[in-house]
Amino acid sequence: GAVVSQHPSWVICKSGTSVKIECRSLDFQATTMFWYRQFPKQSLMLMATSNEGSKATYEQGVEKDKFLINHASLTLSTLTVTSAHPEDSSFYICSARAGQLPFASNYGYTFGSGTRLTVV
Amino acid sequence: LAKTTQPISMDSYEGQEVNITCSHNNIATNDYITWYQQFPSQGPRFIIQGYKTKVTNEVASLFIPADRKSSTLSLPRVSLSDTAVYYCLVGEGTGFQKLVFGTGTRLLVSP
Repeated sequence: GAVVSQHPSWVICKSGTSVKIECRSLDFQATTMFWYRQFPKQSLMLMATSNEGSKATYEQGVEKDKFLINHASLTLSTLTVTSAHPEDSSFYICSARAGQLPFASNYGYTFGSGTRLTVV
Repeated sequence: LAKTTQPISMDSYEGQEVNITCSHNNIATNDYITWYQQFPSQGPRFIIQGYKTKVTNEVASLFIPADRKSSTLSLPRVSLSDTAVYYCLVGEGTGFQKLVFGTGTRLLVSP
């Protein structure tokens, strides 16, 4: 249980175009999802908190107009990288916690498999 | 969220026991300690979580002293496939708080 599916696993796009990444909770409802970015050999950096039915909360330094987050349902959050540039190339990962379980569960927070974005 | 400190890297050999220690001096009363494992180009995977004393599951053990200012992840008889980055996180046990990752420990297991 507690599976998070992320799609696509990798994408190459041209500079100036937009790319959408989907994050789905397959067997549970996720009112809150999180989006991370990870550069090579570095740790995960939290970008934003995605809340179902409301606006996302962005971390300091993350451009909300560039990284659009939509959490339209309890099982789907999307991250759109708008007007992508080569410096946006990174590994993007989403995570969620199974809805009503307490934090001290066997699952903790479940992470998607990540999306490798390359902007050329 | 309590800040954590881990060794940047560790080396081991197949079959050995590996212990990775994490310091979290400012841990709060409601905080739990959770460890994740991450392979290259994959999302982190939950390993184990605990609050105090010792927790054991099928893949690891977590030792937490009485003062809870540190914790040790123990991996028994590691194999090459245990080569990964291991992250220690500390946070409140309830609510939908965000997880903030530290630097992690890069474990290299050699034949």
